[in-house]
Amino acid sequence: SQTIHQWPATLVQPVGSPLSLECTVEGTSNPNLYWYRQAAGRGLQLLFYSVGIGQISSEVPQNLSASRPQDRQFILSSKKLLLSDSGFYLCAWSLRNSPLHFGNGTRLTVT
Amino acid sequence: AQTVTQSQPEMSVQEAETVTLSCTYDTSESDYYLFWYKQPPSRQMILVIRQEAYKQQNATENRFSVNFQKAAKSFSLKISDSQLGDAAMYFCASKGPTNTGTASKLTFGTGTRLQVTL
Repeated sequence: SQTIHQWPATLVQPVGSPLSLECTVEGTSNPNLYWYRQAAGRGLQLLFYSVGIGQISSEVPQNLSASRPQDRQFILSSKKLLLSDSGFYLCAWSLRNSPLHFGNGTRLTVT
Repeated sequence: AQTVTQSQPEMSVQEAETVTLSCTYDTSESDYYLFWYKQPPSRQMILVIRQEAYKQQNATENRFSVNFQKAAKSFSLKISDSQLGDAAMYFCASKGPTNTGTASKLTFGTGTRLQVTL
């Protein structure tokens, strides 16, 4: 069966520091991968998605970037965090026309 | 572009009773998919139920069922015999078809917080 791992679960970082969140999927090949952000008490906003290695699509201009160095690995990064980057980040995967399956999320607090 | 609207920020239901959460959507796609996700306090997103737009029959998963009205672009979730563990945020979402080499994005509503009381 397929599983998705996302880490770390919680992260507290100072403003201006770098960020790296990692997500890996097991048990499937060539999944579509997604990064979503959820601000406190609000819905989910799509940040990036990827259909294959090295292929990244960005939904909103921001301080973040994403990379997919391997088929089942998706990384969310920032060179310098802003206070507004705080939130709950969710990685997800799907196959063609299937539902999205989410990781457990990372709670990021920028101080 | 797809939009999803959930007009009920909060709902409350007594244990063992039935509750219906509302959702309307708008899409230009002729083929699409609709979902309800549950987000408990742990904040994990859990798929509750899915509906393919081309299917006329309403989806059912145990105590969860949907009322899919395609012409009205309405997709409500009914929870029967509510349990304390059903307390959570519920998100309605839509997704267009995926072609080879593309990814279809999931668009979420703003959520409905469901409280279950004794």
